[in-house]
Amino acid sequence: QSALTQPPSASGSPGQSVTISCTGTSSDVGGYNYVSWYRQHPGKAPKVMIYEVSKRPSGVPDRFSGSKSGNTASLTVSGLQADDEADYYCASYTGNDKYVFGTGTKVTVL
Amino acid sequence: QVQLVQSEAEVKKPGASVKVSCKASGFTFSDHHMHWVRQAPGQGLEWMGWVHPNGVYTNYLQKFQDRVTMTRDTSITTVYMELSRLTSDDTAVYYCAREGIGDWGFRAFNLWGQGTMVTVSS
Repeated sequence: QSALTQPPSASGSPGQSVTISCTGTSSDVGGYNYVSWYRQHPGKAPKVMIYEVSKRPSGVPDRFSGSKSGNTASLTVSGLQADDEADYYCASYTGNDKYVFGTGTKVTVL
Repeated sequence: QVQLVQSEAEVKKPGASVKVSCKASGFTFSDHHMHWVRQAPGQGLEWMGWVHPNGVYTNYLQKFQDRVTMTRDTSITTVYMELSRLTSDDTAVYYCAREGIGDWGFRAFNLWGQGTMVTVSS
């Protein structure tokens, strides 16, 4: 099972929006509505920001939104803030009770 | 307090085994699948496998199939991940993570431990 493909980096100025893609196959992203997104600050554990493609956990601001089209999922962060500067990973269920993560995207707030 | 607290960092020699623990508190431990994810220095996240709430069933990524064992002790709300025949490629931070249930985070990892650094060096 290969890692899902994400762009290595993305950036935006405070207040702007950034969108991160996560490309898989019909065996993972395209086959199930179980894509989740995680934010990881340096030296910290990941934190879930989106689950089941577009659902937001309690406490996650509505600036974070998720979507999916075919084999590609996307995370959009609107109204960028300094604290949004971090690494972001997507993950997908792949069937047979297994999972795969994306390659990760470093988001920089300019 | 809802949390997962992992064991301290380990240094092992090549060929040895390591066993990492993850103590759960603040939630119904027996309701949740528990997963392990690792992250090599400067690299991305890699899912390793899970242990079922009943502790009987497990599911591992094929690359780890023959050298990883994930167990849980419900009496002390702790999960374990043991990795054998270590090589330098196993140097990483190992995280335990709770899978959500029902409407909250099914097939997502909604609570993470702080991570345990495992260094494999001769």
